Amino acid sequence: KNQVEQSPQSLIILEGKNCTLQCNYTVSPFSNLRWYKQDTGRGPVSLTIMTFSENTKSNGRYTATLDADTKQSSLHITASQLSDSASYICVVSERNSGYALNFGKGTSLLVTP
Amino acid sequence: DAGITQSPRHKVTETGTPVTLRCHQTENHRYMYWYRQDPGHGLRLIHYSYGVKDTDKGEVSDGYSVSRSKTEDFLLTLESATSSQTSVYFCAISESQIHPYEQYFGPGTRLTVT
Repeated sequence: KNQVEQSPQSLIILEGKNCTLQCNYTVSPFSNLRWYKQDTGRGPVSLTIMTFSENTKSNGRYTATLDADTKQSSLHITASQLSDSASYICVVSERNSGYALNFGKGTSLLVTP
Repeated sequence: DAGITQSPRHKVTETGTPVTLRCHQTENHRYMYWYRQDPGHGLRLIHYSYGVKDTDKGEVSDGYSVSRSKTEDFLLTLESATSSQTSVYFCAISESQIHPYEQYFGPGTRLTVT
């Protein structure tokens, strides 16, 4: 069964610090990997989408990396802000399935003053 | 939330009662999806639609039915709600299903079945 595992489950950091969230997957054949940000009480919002040929993608202070050989991705947040407090969800798509997205359980990030 | 509204936003209902959740989009996207989100689980697909009157089952479709009579509206019905259907329900839309495609989510409906 296709799986997406995220770590850590939760994380607390001080405002201004950097952090890195991890995503490991077993989805095959791989199509693309997305990172979503979900604020409390709201729907997920896309941060990045990376295909097989992309190994880094940035969106402001968010930088995602992908190693398709080891089936790992990371999301690096630079100079964290209080508004970065949210759940970050890794989603991996299988090449032959248009509608089926494999969602991780998310990493809950709390940025404190 | 990309022109997606869900109604109601919160609902409390009793076991055995029927419940209908509505998703409305103003983006004219072809594809619409219903997910549920529960603690300890990633988002799980319930049903999706690939056009008016065209729907198909997802991973956790038992106990749910859907209908799409107009491009902009996708309804999720729980015929006889059970406590296991207490969850947060998200509607999503996409213009395509050719990877990599963007999927946009609505604000969610929190349903409690007592």
